[in-house]
Amino acid sequence: GAGVSQTPSNKVTEKGKYVELRCDPISGHTALYWYRQSLGQGPEFLIYFQGTGAADDSGLPNDRFFAVRPEGSVSTLKIQRTERGDSAVYLCASSLAGGSDEQFFGPGTRLTVL
Amino acid sequence: KQEVTQIPAALSVPEGENLVLNCSFTDSAIYNLQWFRQDPGKGLTSLLLIQSSQREQTSGRLNASLDKSSGRSTLYIAASQPGDSATYLCAVPNNFNKFYFGSGTKLNVKP
Repeated sequence: GAGVSQTPSNKVTEKGKYVELRCDPISGHTALYWYRQSLGQGPEFLIYFQGTGAADDSGLPNDRFFAVRPEGSVSTLKIQRTERGDSAVYLCASSLAGGSDEQFFGPGTRLTVL
Repeated sequence: KQEVTQIPAALSVPEGENLVLNCSFTDSAIYNLQWFRQDPGKGLTSLLLIQSSQREQTSGRLNASLDKSSGRSTLYIAASQPGDSATYLCAVPNNFNKFYFGSGTKLNVKP
């Protein structure tokens, strides 16, 4: 595609519910990243995929968070038993091959947990 | 853990002024440094990428410099315009996959 896309753009859910956030990277990009951004802060790394595998998931805050990329393109970030503290903008980025390659970001999904 | 700091946190200037945004990082073992722009409610737009072997990069009215040994980068914006108003973020990877971001500098250019 022309750029990184993310759906939905906004998600409002209730505490305790399960949510899925989707990221469509730039076609041909093997590296995919998820970040979380709170108001007034820079993005915080969550997880990095190289192809289908999660090469580094050290940024996931706890086991309620999980992400997959089964075919090496689209990725889904899954959050179980959501908490109010999970409210943030979730950003996805992709790069051609990872490493020091330039990252291109999607518009983000704003998650609000009531 | 890499710590990235951006100063100032906010900046307001009149249109036409040249300005400098600062980014510092604690671990100089970086592979590159990337500057981004973020408009309110939007994702990040890449502005400049400086590889660790480079000293600076230029794109239009933007010039970014990198001094790895001192852990600093600056983003110079020439002849600022109201359309430059946004938050500017710098980011560094230090192990090929984990990127650390500063909190950003919120720039307001007044017409």
